Amino acid sequence: DIQMTQSPSSLSASGGDRLNITCRASQSVGSFLNWYQQRPGRGPKLLIYGASNLQSGVPSRFSGSGSGTDFTLTISGLQPEDFATYYCQQSYSATWTFGQGTKVEIK
Amino acid sequence: EVQLVESGGGLVQPGGSLRLSCAASGFSFSDYGMTWVRQAPGKGLEWVSATSASGATTYYAESVKGRFTISRDSSKNTLYLEMSSLRDDDTAVYYCAKQSKGVWPRLDYWGQGTLVTVSS
Repeated sequence: DIQMTQSPSSLSASGGDRLNITCRASQSVGSFLNWYQQRPGRGPKLLIYGASNLQSGVPSRFSGSGSGTDFTLTISGLQPEDFATYYCQQSYSATWTFGQGTKVEIK
Repeated sequence: EVQLVESGGGLVQPGGSLRLSCAASGFSFSDYGMTWVRQAPGKGLEWVSATSASGATTYYAESVKGRFTISRDSSKNTLYLEMSSLRDDDTAVYYCAKQSKGVWPRLDYWGQGTLVTVSS
């Protein structure tokens, strides 16, 4: 299986901050990399697909970059509703895998 | 509006069996692949199983292979997950999710989940 490793595992931030969350794959996944947001008690929500494509309805402060093994999710201008856990996920192989998650907390 | 509603969770003893269902609406169910993802209490997301739009092709995580079976009934717009030989570490919230079409495979809609607790 392809292993996905996110960093950091958690971080504290303030409203208006710019954040970068990174995701590294154990082998190349091309651009088959998606990002999800999960708020407590709720199902995940798709933010970014194909490494850099913004899902319809997602605010433009979210962006994604990278290819191969190294990817980044950027949130520009953190809003109160953005305090949540973020997961990367590869869809390159037949069996998909998620990163362990990055929890964004209020400083 | 796309809706996915899971059901069938509950308390089951180790070694037992359970069948989860996911009722889909708001889209042409038979045209899309579907996936199950689980989340143990306080832990991250784990991809469990997926099926193609027709149901002819299925995939499983190593952790559930040989114990879980994914299936679908397009006449009922329902996805299933048959779970057997359940273990303590199968305890989790189980989500069903709709796969997208196109170049970039992704899970574009998710249900709210159903809790499975494996305990004696």
